[in-house]
Order: sequence, then C-alpha cells, then structure tokens
Amino acid sequence: AQSVSQHNHHVILSEAASLELGCNYSYGGTVNLFWYVQYPGQHLQLLLKYFSEDPLVKGIKGFEAEFIKSKFSFNLRKPSVQWSDTAEYFCAVIPTGGGNKLTFGTGTQLKVEL
Amino acid sequence: DTGVSQDPRHKITKRGQNVTFRCDPISEHNRLYWYRQTLGQGPEFLTYFQNEAQLEKSRLLSDRFSAERPKGSFSTLEIQRTEQGDSAMYLCASSLPGVHGVGGANVLTFGAGSRLTVL
Repeated sequence: AQSVSQHNHHVILSEAASLELGCNYSYGGTVNLFWYVQYPGQHLQLLLKYFSEDPLVKGIKGFEAEFIKSKFSFNLRKPSVQWSDTAEYFCAVIPTGGGNKLTFGTGTQLKVEL
Repeated sequence: DTGVSQDPRHKITKRGQNVTFRCDPISEHNRLYWYRQTLGQGPEFLTYFQNEAQLEKSRLLSDRFSAERPKGSFSTLEIQRTEQGDSAMYLCASSLPGVHGVGGANVLTFGAGSRLTVL
C-alpha cells in the first residue's frame, strides 16, 4: 500500500520568503501525485498535479512542484510567498496501475506573516 | 453551483444516535469518494463508488458505517450508534470517468465537508 510523508508540520514565513514543503511517498510502481490546499474556512482545492509528463509541474498561484523519481519526492515550491498563501497543504499519491485510493499526507500548516 | 455539495455542514449528536450525511457530486462525475479527516491529520479514505457500485471499502469503515449510492448520483453515509471517536470532518469527493489511473479520472474535487461532533 502507498503512503505519504510530509516532514514539516508547521512552517512560518515572512512575506516574500521562498517556500519549499517536503513530500515523500512510498510505493513501488508508477504514481500520480498531487498537492491540495485548504485555505482557512474553505474546502480542499487542487493546487497542482503530476501525471507522468514533465517532472516540473506548475500549478495555480505561482506554485510548482518537482517530481524526483529516484528520491520518491514531490516537493512544493514557491519563490515568494504572500500573506494569502496562509493555508494547510496536503501532498497525495495514487497508483496509476489500479487502486482507487488517493492517499494523503498529514499536511503542513503554513503561516505567512506580514 | 457546479461543485460537490454536502449536507449538513455541521451535525452535533449524542453518543448512540444515528446520523446520515448526503453528498451530491458534480453531475458528470461517475466516481464518488468518502474520506474522513480529524484534527492534525490528512483525509483518510473510507470508500469509493463507480456509478452505483461500491467498489472499495477501507478497514476504517466499521460495520456501524454504511454508504450507498442507489442511482449512481447522490450518496449517503450513515453512521449507526455513534461514538465519540466518530467525531471528524466527513469529506465527499468526485472525479471524472475514464480509464482509471489515467488523466482526469484521478483528479478528485472535494466538497466542503460535514463536521460531526459526538457528545
């Protein structure tokens, strides 16, 4: 069965700082990878997805993530965060070869201070 | 509204009571999922439907939990004899049809969730 690890549980940054949130998955086959975001008081929204194309994936609001197969990683990055990026970020994985279960990490709570 | 709708948004109940949550997926999505999220955790998979067929159930789904999708459209999740440990946010999601594991068929759109508090 697949699993996801997010090592940073809480991150506090100042506006304009660069962001990198770690995500590692465990699964022996090919996968689709996702980052979802949950803004305060809102529901989970898709931020970006990896579907076996270019390993550098660009998402909404200036976010990007890089899939490094050899490291089983899919880290999320943003060069300059804004106060409005304050949210909880979830990495998720699903095997491409079957299985219906999208497995989430425990999430990273990001707080951006003015 | 073209999103995933869940009802009720909040439910407070006493231990031992039954509760039912409803989910209306995006109309063209034939796949529907239920997840549970507790504080400090990511969403945990509970069950999955393709049309009206329940194709997978998590071991988290004890015999007190039952989910249905009778006509392949909306779904209900019922919890019988609720326990305090059932307190959580119950999330519904839906996704497009297609070859599973390929493209849009794996992109889940989530509803706002139904928060259950068991006293």
